[in-house]
Amino acid sequence: DADVTQTPRNRITKTGKRIMLECSQTKGHDRMYWYRQDPGLGLRLIYYSFDVKDINKGEISDGYSVSRQAQAKFSLSLESAIPNQTALYFCATSVRARETQYFGPGTRLLVL
Amino acid sequence: DQQVKQNSPSLSVQEGRISILNCDYTNSMFDYFLWYKKYPAEGPTFLISISSIKDKNEDGRFTVFLNKSAKHLSLHIVPSQPGDSAVYFCAALGGYGGSQGNLIFGKGTKLSVKP
Repeated sequence: DADVTQTPRNRITKTGKRIMLECSQTKGHDRMYWYRQDPGLGLRLIYYSFDVKDINKGEISDGYSVSRQAQAKFSLSLESAIPNQTALYFCATSVRARETQYFGPGTRLLVL
Repeated sequence: DQQVKQNSPSLSVQEGRISILNCDYTNSMFDYFLWYKKYPAEGPTFLISISSIKDKNEDGRFTVFLNKSAKHLSLHIVPSQPGDSAVYFCAALGGYGGSQGNLIFGKGTKLSVKP
């Protein structure tokens, strides 16, 4: 079984819709992250969480919100999706800051 | 402004030969560097890392070299195998401060190893 899972794996939605991407982990890590990948742009950090009570904005947080429901769950929401949020989204975890991060399989999102 | 740069979008190598993937960085506060490999339809997987107190780290066929004065690191794969064909991301960990623990990624290099 995968240590970091993401649901859904693929999603098509329309402009203006609210959607949620979910991430769960069984690694027992405290830190969780959300990234997006666009072609030719590498991975960019959206939000990160050091524990359930600690949420921080990353490089490109505008238009996104997150919820850390438990140590093992970290959700990313697009309150009103727009086409330029079409991308591949990855969740990641790590034991502590400044340590290797482990990634989920990704969610491919298309906003029409 | 890009802090981690992978200037070669793609690289093609013959099976059995050496693959060299390069990465440059601009922030002298970076003190830990990682390489990730990514296959299509999968998340990035950790490959190898190096601390700034070292200039070389080896793991099987994979070796990472760090030249701090040049702010340059490279990943060597010897010998290259077709299964190594993937996108390789260089990443750096920020120094202390607000970005502590956050990876800064390069744009990636797509490696193709031909049989």
